[in-house]
Amino acid sequence: ELKVEQNPLFLSMQEGKNYTIYCNYSTTSDRLYWYRQDPGKSLESLFVLLSNGAVKQEGRLMASLDTKARLSTLHITAAVHDLSATYFCAVVNSNSGYALNFGKGTSLLVTP
Amino acid sequence: DARVTQTPRHKVTEMGQEVTMRCQPILGHNTVFWYRQTMMQGLELLAYFRNRAPLDDSGMPKDRFSAEMPDATLATLKIQPSEPRDSAVYFCASGLDRGADTQYFGPGTRLTVL
Repeated sequence: ELKVEQNPLFLSMQEGKNYTIYCNYSTTSDRLYWYRQDPGKSLESLFVLLSNGAVKQEGRLMASLDTKARLSTLHITAAVHDLSATYFCAVVNSNSGYALNFGKGTSLLVTP
Repeated sequence: DARVTQTPRHKVTEMGQEVTMRCQPILGHNTVFWYRQTMMQGLELLAYFRNRAPLDDSGMPKDRFSAEMPDATLATLKIQPSEPRDSAVYFCASGLDRGADTQYFGPGTRLTVL
C-alpha cells in the first residue's frame, strides 16, 4: 500500500518568512503532484514533478523531487497572506495507473 | 478555459435515498477519477476510468456505490441507499495518462445525508 506523509500538518508563519513543507512516500513512483486548496474550494494544480532532481518554481513556491529518498519539498519564500491555504502532495502508484494517493495536507496560515 | 464540471454542487438528502452525482470531464481527456474528501479520511480514490473503461473501483463500497461512464462526456457516481457516513465532498477529476499532464479537479459536490 502506497503511503504519503506530509509534515507539518499545520503551519503558522509570519509574512516575509521562509519555510519548507515535506512530503515522504513509501513506494516507487514516477510522478508527484502538489495541489493547493482554499477553504470550501476545489483543488488547484501547482506542480507536476516527473524525475529525480526535478525542480519547479512558480512565484514564491518552489517544489523539488528526490526519488531515491522518496521525498518532495515545497519551499515557500517570503510568505504573503495570499499563500494561506491547504497544500497537498499526491503520488501516483506506478503499479495501478494514474490514480493519486494524497497526503493529509498541510494547512498554512500566513499572518502579518 | 476548459474545466471539469460537476452537478449538483450541493445535495442534502435523507438516509436511504438514492443520490446521483454527475461529472463532465474536459473534452479530450481519457482518464476520469472520483475522489471523496472528508475531515477524517482526507482525499480517497473511489473510482478510476480510462477511455471509459473502469480500471479501479477498489475504494468504493460495492454494495451501495456504483460509477459509470455512459459516454466520453459524462461520468456518474450513484449511491443507493445513502447513509449519513456518506456525507462528504465528492470530486471528479480528469486528465491525460501521459507526459507531464496533471489531473484537473471539478468544483465538487457537497453531499449531506441526514
